[in-house]
Amino acid sequence: DTGVSQNPRHKITKRGQNVTFRCDPISEHNRLYWYRQTLGQGPEFLTYFQNEAQLEKSRLLSDRFSAERPKGSFSTLEIQRTEQGDSAMYLCASSLGVDEQFFGPGTRLTVL
Amino acid sequence: AQTVTQSQPEMSVQEAETVTLSCTYDTSESNYYLFWYKQPPSRQMILVIRQEAYKQQNATENRFSVNFQKAAKSFSLKISDSQLGDTAMYFCALLQGAQKLVFGQGTRLTINP
Repeated sequence: DTGVSQNPRHKITKRGQNVTFRCDPISEHNRLYWYRQTLGQGPEFLTYFQNEAQLEKSRLLSDRFSAERPKGSFSTLEIQRTEQGDSAMYLCASSLGVDEQFFGPGTRLTVL
Repeated sequence: AQTVTQSQPEMSVQEAETVTLSCTYDTSESNYYLFWYKQPPSRQMILVIRQEAYKQQNATENRFSVNFQKAAKSFSLKISDSQLGDTAMYFCALLQGAQKLVFGQGTRLTINP
């Protein structure tokens, strides 16, 4: 299966700890997106990359959040000094230009 | 700001029935894309159907079709001959600035046997 993959699938951490998630997009896709989804809500946009360039960041992405996409391949999303309000499903998606976004299975973060 | 509204938090129908999910949106862009995504329980989101705003013809994918009313900014999804596997959260989404998706709150659809 060559779909979007995300690791880990689940992460439980204590408040104040740092966490890092990884997303591997579909290989030929040049765009990569991060979304956050809380229970019972639709996903909310966080940030997106075109190749290795981060082109837009949401106001939801506080200074504690940082995302990278070195070499335009996989991407990482790091949350520093986690808070209970960071508990959510973090979704990654990729696309080839302006086209259908293919979603990964998500990483569910629980902050205790 | 672009917004997407789904006014039906939950719907439930019997297998083989037809069901319509509602979605309204607001955008200042003249050309845009609209999507319906399906998110089954504990499974990843997949695209059901999409519509380019410049196309007047409503999109159709097998049992799924849309009623796109551009002037009314309405984009409803019709599922014909519903199946148990259609049980899922359905999200209406607007592609904003050819970049990010803006999602509605979702409709939880249950197909009963």
